[in-house]
Amino acid sequence: GQQLNQSPQSMFIQEGEDVSMNCTSSSIFNTWLWYKQEPGEGPVLLIALYKAGELTSNGRLTAQFGITRKDSFLNISASIPSDVGIYFCAGNTGANSKLTFGKGITLSVRP
Amino acid sequence: SAVISQKPSRDICQRGTSLTIQCQVDSQVTMMFWYRQQPGQSLTLIATANQGSEATYESGFVIDKFPISRPNLTFSTLTVSNMSPEDSSIYLCSVAQGSTEAFFGQGTRLTVV
Repeated sequence: GQQLNQSPQSMFIQEGEDVSMNCTSSSIFNTWLWYKQEPGEGPVLLIALYKAGELTSNGRLTAQFGITRKDSFLNISASIPSDVGIYFCAGNTGANSKLTFGKGITLSVRP
Repeated sequence: SAVISQKPSRDICQRGTSLTIQCQVDSQVTMMFWYRQQPGQSLTLIATANQGSEATYESGFVIDKFPISRPNLTFSTLTVSNMSPEDSSIYLCSVAQGSTEAFFGQGTRLTVV
């Protein structure tokens, strides 16, 4: 079945630093989504990408849909303590279709 | 995006009992899904809740263990039946409305003792 690969499992950065997270797949997706999950909460959608090569920003977050449609990255610039959480990538193949999730990356930000 | 409310937000249950989790959306949605997130793990799709018909279950999940109802376009329930400690997880309701984006409720944190 389809799988999304996210690594490393955890990242530790200093407040103010930029961080980049990658997500790769062995198969093609038509949509890439990035979610953030904080303790005790459900995942919150950060950015949605719909076209190969698309680059989208949401405040300090920037994400890109890879040209091959098999990868995506998420950048967080000038990190702050509230960026702490688990970042999941997810992909699907069409409207109303099932999402496939990566294993997530736990981000820690040192003040 | 739709506002999704799940009840209960958390529960501690005895093994052998069953728990029904409710998911209420503030607008009609096309698709409703139920996910399980085991401790420290990613999200695994349990089933797609179909309005007016039986849910569509993913491999490894069966109706007898996880019966699902969806009586209308804004409400669904997931029951975790005959619980064991291995069922301790976060259970998440998710909705999609004719798009490729999905939105999640806050989850139900279940502990089985």
